Amino acid sequence: AAGVIQSPRHLIKEKRETATLKCYPIPRHDTVYWYQQGPGQDPQFLISFYEKMQSDKGSIPDRFSAQQFSDYHSELNMSSLELGDSALYFCASSPTRASGNTIYFGEGSWLTVV
Amino acid sequence: AQSVTQLDSHVSVSEGTPVLLRCNYSSSYSPSLFWYVQHPNKGLQLLLKYTSAATLVKGINGFEAEFKKSETSFHLTKPSAHMSDAAEYFCVVSKMSGGSYIPTFGRGTSLIVHP
Repeated sequence: AAGVIQSPRHLIKEKRETATLKCYPIPRHDTVYWYQQGPGQDPQFLISFYEKMQSDKGSIPDRFSAQQFSDYHSELNMSSLELGDSALYFCASSPTRASGNTIYFGEGSWLTVV
Repeated sequence: AQSVTQLDSHVSVSEGTPVLLRCNYSSSYSPSLFWYVQHPNKGLQLLLKYTSAATLVKGINGFEAEFKKSETSFHLTKPSAHMSDAAEYFCVVSKMSGGSYIPTFGRGTSLIVHP
């Protein structure tokens, strides 16, 4: 079965640079989530989209932005990168926003800021 | 508000012995609860979920969890640990936020399995 696809899997950037992460949700899933997992931390919710519209915002810095496109793929844009942005970034998708729906996670994108 | 508390940051067991990973939740109504596993440098894999059907939920790889409303718990168990079970385990609750439910993670429990 198709899974959530994230790219790139690994990314190294310097401070103050910009990075873009991409996410391709499972086909026919209408909700996409982005999470950030710092070293030794639990995943923290950043932002979500429902039917290509921003749905909820979590602890996403102002330097970050995200959008979902007409083909349902989503991109997380991170600017003015800081060392503390080094983390594993997960994208997840779900058939709907309802409570009981399972969230399926991608393998994650490792961002290292040097 | 809904949240989860994983009571142990680390659990160490010997191979072949039972596993118990504890999770308590707080919720104003019957929540949806999940357990995910994360192996080193890997993504998050769903083990099982509870959505107000049977209180005993069976998942993959021999894991199961029991929803106990009176104790507000959703502990994860496995009768016999295997070396390949060594990983980080997250208890997750769907938390209402705005117009949708956002999966909210516990701090995680690291399962260590000794030969």
